[in-house]
Amino acid sequence: QQQVKQSPQSLIVQKGGISIINCAYENTAFDYFPWYQQFPGKGPALLIAIRPDVSEKKEGRFTISFNKSAKQFSLHIMDSQPGDSATYFCAASNPNDYKLSFGAGTTVTVRA
Amino acid sequence: GEEVAQTPKHLVRGEGQKAKLYCAPIKGHSYVFWYQQVLKNEFKFLISFQNENVFDETGMPKERFSAKCLPNSPCSLEIQATKLEDSAVYFCASSQSTANTEAFFGQGTRLTVV
Repeated sequence: QQQVKQSPQSLIVQKGGISIINCAYENTAFDYFPWYQQFPGKGPALLIAIRPDVSEKKEGRFTISFNKSAKQFSLHIMDSQPGDSATYFCAASNPNDYKLSFGAGTTVTVRA
Repeated sequence: GEEVAQTPKHLVRGEGQKAKLYCAPIKGHSYVFWYQQVLKNEFKFLISFQNENVFDETGMPKERFSAKCLPNSPCSLEIQATKLEDSAVYFCASSQSTANTEAFFGQGTRLTVV
């Protein structure tokens, strides 16, 4: 069963708007939470990642919010641009085996 | 190299044929992971290596899938007697030796079984 649940499945946002993608997990052993961006025909590229000791991390227009007690984390894309149109995956891994458990992905379309 | 290199980019095999995929991890990275992406989105973990040693093989369908990472050679993932449901994109990723750090993915190999 999927260890990381991601929503929504897809979203459309206007240029300059905010895209918000949410993920939830159950396994409290997870201690590393990356977000990947994938374009068609390409491999996933790491966007930003967070560990449970911080509640928020910002890199440019991308921000991760992390709620350890709720076991939820989210990606906010500020000032969305057409070039941000891609599929975004949240993931989680634990320090025992390092393998990534991926969410099901969110396809983001930014309309100009 | 500075990127994970996967070959070939595309591979077409008839049902029952063998398929072999290759992955050269980033130089200096000790961990190699193989993932299968089906239906465009869902990622399934297959196997991981720490240097040339199998680290975790809990995701491998062992009866037909095998993998190796030998010194001074690209890592490989081999599927014997391919089935239609093996059609997917196979990604290799590598990460450094320190625990639970970022994994860098290759561009994938698209396997089509006809």
